Amino acid sequence: GEDVEQSLFLSVREGDSSVINCTYTDSSSTYLYWYKQEPGAGLQLLTYIFSNMDMKQDQRLTVLLNKKDKHLSLRIADTQTGDSAIYFCAESKNTGNQFYFGTGTSLTVIP
Amino acid sequence: DGGITQSPKYLFRKEGQNVTLSCEQNLNHDAMYWYRQDPGQGLRLIYYSQIVNDFQKGDIAEGYSVSREKKESFPLTVTSAQKNPTAFYLCASSITGGFEQFFGPGTRLTVL
Repeated sequence: GEDVEQSLFLSVREGDSSVINCTYTDSSSTYLYWYKQEPGAGLQLLTYIFSNMDMKQDQRLTVLLNKKDKHLSLRIADTQTGDSAIYFCAESKNTGNQFYFGTGTSLTVIP
Repeated sequence: DGGITQSPKYLFRKEGQNVTLSCEQNLNHDAMYWYRQDPGQGLRLIYYSQIVNDFQKGDIAEGYSVSREKKESFPLTVTSAQKNPTAFYLCASSITGGFEQFFGPGTRLTVL
């Protein structure tokens, strides 16, 4: 399958911005996603971006896509303790329903 | 309320036994998926189904089996052939060609 890579851990102080990074290998990916997983629970879609976009903003979340470098990032402004969770990057193509998930980044917000 | 349910939340099994994990959705989605989650490895696709009575192997199908007799249900059987079955199992569904997967709460399987 396709490779989607993320760093495993990130710690930030409450009120600071968090930036979670992801790299992927498949240049034909059509959709790129960020999912959030709280402890012991399933995943929830936070936001997504089409591959023909460079940036998407949704309240405190900003997604940046660099197609040339196959790099996706999620910025969370004014990070709160409730943002502590595992964040997964994922990709899919529009030709099928297969999704490929990254390893997940565990975000810890320090009060 | 529409959603995906998985049962049980925790499951214990002795080595050598088969066990079946339940996944039900009332979202009227055609596509359903099973993932396995291990620490530091993210989600790996076990099986997926895009329509009733049809399913395809994912990246780690060995030692698992599925059925899709009804649109709402996609049970996963972890067989005794699965060498390392202790993990967190997640079920998901989506509309065909859709870009969002909806996840259940997961089942944590422990083999004793």
